[in-house]
Amino acid sequence: GAVVSQHPSWVICKSGTSVKIECRSLDFQATTMFWYRQFPKQSLMLMATSNEGSKATYEQGVEKDKFLINHASLTLSTLTVTSAHPEDSSFYICSAGLAGAFGELFFGEGSRLTVL
Amino acid sequence: GDSVTQMEGPVTLSEEAFLTINCTYTATGYPSLFWYVQYPGEGLQLLLKATKADDKGSNKGFEATYRKETTSFHLEKGSVQVSDSAVYFCALSDRTGNQFYFGTGTSLTVIP
Repeated sequence: GAVVSQHPSWVICKSGTSVKIECRSLDFQATTMFWYRQFPKQSLMLMATSNEGSKATYEQGVEKDKFLINHASLTLSTLTVTSAHPEDSSFYICSAGLAGAFGELFFGEGSRLTVL
Repeated sequence: GDSVTQMEGPVTLSEEAFLTINCTYTATGYPSLFWYVQYPGEGLQLLLKATKADDKGSNKGFEATYRKETTSFHLEKGSVQVSDSAVYFCALSDRTGNQFYFGTGTSLTVIP
């Protein structure tokens, strides 16, 4: 089956620093990847759609300059949280679809960000 | 627009009890329907899916049937185990994956 992997799984950083999270499709090419944010005991909130070779499409209310998304290849999308603050602490999950999979999304393991 | 409405939790059951988590949807066209499971501290895993009306998805003892007439995709399991404790998300897709909608999630705790 299609596998999506995220790295790192856990990251702790100081306030004001930037953190990069990688999302890779391991055995398929993904022209589109999705980034979600999940608060404790809540559902997933779509942050942005990452498009290979073009700018990401952000959901309303998501700061483009705070959450930089780059999709430089068909197997890698990155989310950079710039000038992180404690309120950015959250669980970030990426996903990708696969042609012919009837719309199924394949999810990464998630990345837990803690900003001190 | 398309949406998914999922039974609110949390749900607490004793081991070997019967489980039902309700899910209804609103959609134009012919969506695919999914149940994903999230164990503590982990990402989402596909539990089962159905891509057309009357399809039954099943996995690990869980089942759900795509009911177009009632626009429902209820999750059931005849006998839950402690290891089933997790959060369950009902989801809908427009079949291309470009439009994907989650329910709010239902937390299940199974006690011995």
